[in-house]
Amino acid sequence: SQTIHQWPATLVQPVGSPLSLECTVEGTSNPNLYWYRQAAGRGLQLLFYSVGIGQISSEVPQNLSASRPQDRQFILSSKKLLLSDSGFYLCAWSQSSGIKNIQYFGAGTRLSVL
Amino acid sequence: AQSVAQPEDQVNVAEGNPLTVKCTYSVSGNPYLFWYVQYPNRGLQFLLKYITGDNLVKGSYGFEAEFNKSQTSFHLTKPSAHMSDAAEYFCAVSLKSSGDKLTFGTGTRLAVRP
Repeated sequence: SQTIHQWPATLVQPVGSPLSLECTVEGTSNPNLYWYRQAAGRGLQLLFYSVGIGQISSEVPQNLSASRPQDRQFILSSKKLLLSDSGFYLCAWSQSSGIKNIQYFGAGTRLSVL
Repeated sequence: AQSVAQPEDQVNVAEGNPLTVKCTYSVSGNPYLFWYVQYPNRGLQFLLKYITGDNLVKGSYGFEAEFNKSQTSFHLTKPSAHMSDAAEYFCAVSLKSSGDKLTFGTGTRLAVRP
């Protein structure tokens, strides 16, 4: 069966520090991968999605970047965190063929920038 | 552009009573519609989806949703609420033409009282 892992679960970082959040998927190949941010009391905002290695689409201009160095690895990064980067970050995957559109989510990373 | 509205920030229901969580959508084309549930500090879990066919779809944990094209709605229902249903519920929409990108509503918190 397929599983998705996100780490760390929680993170407290000072303003101006770098960020690296990692997401990996097991049990499938060539998945579509997604990074979302969920601010308190709001819905999910799609930040990045990827349909293959090295292929990243950015949905909103921001202080963050994403990379996909391997087929089942998706990394969210920042060189200098801002206070506004605080939130709950969720990684998700979906199949690239067959039964599309169902996205499966990781447990999330709660980031607090102080 | 596609959008989803969840008009209620919170729904309160007594255990054993029927529950409804409302969702309306706006798309130019035929929508794919989804419901997800999120427990505190966790990722989202897929509940059910409408792609095509029967307007009434059944999902996990006894939940159902009915696609109503004329009212552009996809309300989530359950005949009898359980305490374990207390969570936040998200409606989402995508278009075949937009691939797997989902647009989420802002979420509805379901509170179940004994």
